[in-house]
Amino acid sequence: NAGVTQTPKFRILKIGQSMTLQCTQDMNHNYMYWYRQDPGMGLKLIYYSVGAGITDKGEVPNGYNVSRSTTEDFPLRLELAAPSQTSVYFCASRSPGTGGNTIYFGEGSWLTVV
Amino acid sequence: AQSVTQLDSQVPVFEEAPVELRCNYSSSVSVYLFWYVQYPNQGLQLLLKYLSGSTLVKGINGFEAEFNKSQTSFHLRKPSVHISDTAEYFCAVSDPSNTGNQFYFGTGTSLTVIP
Repeated sequence: NAGVTQTPKFRILKIGQSMTLQCTQDMNHNYMYWYRQDPGMGLKLIYYSVGAGITDKGEVPNGYNVSRSTTEDFPLRLELAAPSQTSVYFCASRSPGTGGNTIYFGEGSWLTVV
Repeated sequence: AQSVTQLDSQVPVFEEAPVELRCNYSSSVSVYLFWYVQYPNQGLQLLLKYLSGSTLVKGINGFEAEFNKSQTSFHLRKPSVHISDTAEYFCAVSDPSNTGNQFYFGTGTSLTVIP
C-alpha cells in the first residue's frame, strides 16, 4: 500500500539553490497539503490544494511554490533556499468532505540549507 | 480559526504506568477531533478520531480519548504504556466546513517511556 509518497527523504541544499520536493498519492484524494515541522512548533501549513488546477496558500507560504496538474501529484518548489527553510516537510492528502475524513501523511523529507 | 493547545511539550513516564496527554481547543462550536502519533523519523499516523456519538473514543495500540464539550478538551489516555509508545503525539481539530483548509494541529507532546 503506497499511500502518500515523498521524495527525496534527505537533501542538503546550499543557500540560493532551488529544488523540488515531489509528492504523489494513489488514493485518488482530491485534497493535498504541504506542511513543515520545526522543533516545538508543530505542523505549519505551507500550501494546499482541493483539486487539480487549484492551489491556495496556507500559513507559511513565503519562499515556496506549488502546482497541481494531476490529482496524484503535488510538488513543492523551493526557490532561492534560505537557512530558515531548514525543516522537515510532510506531504499529506485526504478525501473531500466536512472535515471528518482522515489526513494521510507521507514519511517526510528532511531538508537542510547551509 | 481554531487553535489547539497541548500544554505538555514533554511527558516522561515509567513503563506500565498510566499516561494522559492533554489537548484543549479554542472553539465551542461543532468540531471533529483527532490524535495522531509520529514515531521517530516517520510521518504522522492516525491514532483515533471523534466525529460524533459516544464521547469516549478507542483507538489503536490501547489508546483512548474523551471528548469534553464543556471544557473543550480531548485528552488522550492509556492505562499502561510500553516502551514502543515513545513517540510524538499531535492533537488536531477540524471544523465542519468544506474549504479544504480546516485542520489545525497542536504543537505536539513528546512521550518518553522509561524502562
